[in-house]
Amino acid sequence: AQSVTQPDIHITVSEGASLELRCNYSYGATPYLFWYVQSPGQGLQLLLKYFSGDTLVQGIKGFEAEFKRSQSSFNLRKPSVHWSDAAEYFCAGGNSGNTPLVFGKGTRLSVIA
Amino acid sequence: NAGVTQTPKFQVLKTGQSMTLQCAQDMNHEYMSWYRQDPGMGLRLIHYSVGAGITDQGEVPNGYNVSRSTTEDFPLRLLSAAPSQTSVYFCASSYRSNQPQHFGDGTRLSIL
Repeated sequence: AQSVTQPDIHITVSEGASLELRCNYSYGATPYLFWYVQSPGQGLQLLLKYFSGDTLVQGIKGFEAEFKRSQSSFNLRKPSVHWSDAAEYFCAGGNSGNTPLVFGKGTRLSVIA
Repeated sequence: NAGVTQTPKFQVLKTGQSMTLQCAQDMNHEYMSWYRQDPGMGLRLIHYSVGAGITDQGEVPNGYNVSRSTTEDFPLRLLSAAPSQTSVYFCASSYRSNQPQHFGDGTRLSIL
């Protein structure tokens, strides 16, 4: 079955430090992969997407993610975290058929001074 | 440009009551979906629709009903509210299911 796993429930980083949020997927063919961010009390906002081509994708707010087929991973990275990045982050995956996206359970990011 | 609009934003119900959560989008998206979000559970798909007149069940459909009579609207009905349905509900839309989804701001529902 298709699945998306986010191994980390909660991560705390210092402001200015680098960030990597993990996402693993289980899809037979090349998946469509997404990262979303949810600020408290808000809906989800798309950060970036991967469909095909260049395995390093750039998103909004200075985020990037790298698709690694050999590791079935699509980790989200940011070189320097800002306090405003504190939020919940969701990885999601789909395929070429018209079936619903599968979301990971999310990783909550806390940023400390 | 409204995007995805959900109403109401907050609602308190008594057990056994019924209600409809509204969702409308103005982007001419074919695909629409309803999720519930509970602590530690992520987003769980309730129902989805790939176009007007077509709906299907997601992961947690029991106790909920949907219809899609127009492209723009995708209401979610709670038939007989139960405390286990206390949650935050999100509606989303996209051109196709594997395209980036646009989310509404959510409806916070409490059932006493």
